[in-house]
Amino acid sequence: EAGVAQSPRYKIIEKRQSVAFWCNPISGHATLYWYQQILGQGPKLLIQFQNNGVVDDSQLPKDRFSAERLKGVDSTLKIQPAKLEDSAVYLCASTIARGGTYSYEQYFGPGTRLTVT
Amino acid sequence: AQSVTQLDSHVSVSEGTPVLLRCNYSSSYSPSLFWYVQHPNKGLQLLLKYTSAATLVKGINGFEAEFKKSETSFHLTKPSAHMSDAAEYFCVVSKNTGNQFYFGTGTSLTVIP
Repeated sequence: EAGVAQSPRYKIIEKRQSVAFWCNPISGHATLYWYQQILGQGPKLLIQFQNNGVVDDSQLPKDRFSAERLKGVDSTLKIQPAKLEDSAVYLCASTIARGGTYSYEQYFGPGTRLTVT
Repeated sequence: AQSVTQLDSHVSVSEGTPVLLRCNYSSSYSPSLFWYVQHPNKGLQLLLKYTSAATLVKGINGFEAEFKKSETSFHLTKPSAHMSDAAEYFCVVSKNTGNQFYFGTGTSLTVIP
């Protein structure tokens, strides 16, 4: 079974530029998550999709961050314009919910390391 | 509101000795609790999970954790540390509906040969 795919793996941009990250979850996984992990901290959930609908985006800085999952499969996270404090690893994860038993084991991709200079 | 506190940012043990990584949680709901491990330059991997079934949960690589509601704790233990256990460990809480995952700040485990 192929894992969660993310690209690019590394990205360096200047502040005020735009950047986009792509995620392809495990086939059949309906739920997709984007996390931000700043160096030395635990991952912070930015947005959660169930199929192509947003379940939770309460911690997404909506003035500069946006995400979409148009066909309920792969997803794109965008930052525009980027700030220095956006330097972090952006992680994508997916889960499959089993009816009646909430497993919610998240499978994580390798992440995209963003450096904003 | 939900949150997780990992009580130690760094833990150092000798190879072959027990491991204890401490986690306290706060939740307004009946929580699900998880431990994830992150090895250097590798992705996060699930060690074990608690989802309102047995309070003593066994995971991979000999790890286990006990859910104690009265103490709001979910400490991770292993009887004998191995060099390959050196990594960053995260305690995670979520609602029992699979929403609102909150990670702790992590505990870095060092295993001394």
